[in-house]
Amino acid sequence: DIQMTQSPSSMSASLGDRVTITCQASQDIGNNLIWFQQKPGKSPRPMIYYATNLANGVPSRFSGSRSGSDYSLTISSLESEDMADYHCLQYKQYPLTFGSGTKLEIK
Amino acid sequence: QVQLKESGPGLVQPSQTLSLTCTVSGFSLMDYSVHWVRQPPGKGLEWMGRMKYDGDTYYNSALKSRLSISRDTSKSQVFLKMNSLQTEDTAIYYCTRRYLFDYWGQGVMVTVSS
Repeated sequence: DIQMTQSPSSMSASLGDRVTITCQASQDIGNNLIWFQQKPGKSPRPMIYYATNLANGVPSRFSGSRSGSDYSLTISSLESEDMADYHCLQYKQYPLTFGSGTKLEIK
Repeated sequence: QVQLKESGPGLVQPSQTLSLTCTVSGFSLMDYSVHWVRQPPGKGLEWMGRMKYDGDTYYNSALKSRLSISRDTSKSQVFLKMNSLQTEDTAIYYCTRRYLFDYWGQGVMVTVSS
């Protein structure tokens, strides 16, 4: 199975900060990665497809990038509504596997 | 519009079988796959398995011996059955559409307790 190592597990940042969350894949997954945002009591919402493509309706302050086996979700200027859990998912190979999640809090 | 909705019992006794239904609308089960994902309270997401648009299934190997996914295309429903439930199976269970997980149900909380 492909392991997705996500970091950090939690973080606190101030409004306006640049925030980066990372997932590292244990095997080659190409760009077959999705980033999800999940707010308390809600279902996950896809934010980034194919590692770098913004999903419909997602604010442009969100972006995705890849460097080798490392995949990053970046929020360029943190807003209060971005407080949420974030998850990555690889869909290169079955079984599909998620990262362990990142809890993002606002200072 | 595309919708998915999970339904099933909120409470299951240990060692019993869980039966959940995902009812979809706005798309055909013969055109799109449906996946099941679960999330224990306060924890991360776990992919459980999928019903492909052609009727093929694939399961998480960790659950394969206990899990079965089936469908009724005439009713636009996908079913999940998992036996030998334990307290560790307490979770929110979601169904979601295709490998891009573009639409999700609201989830159903299942508690395994006597």
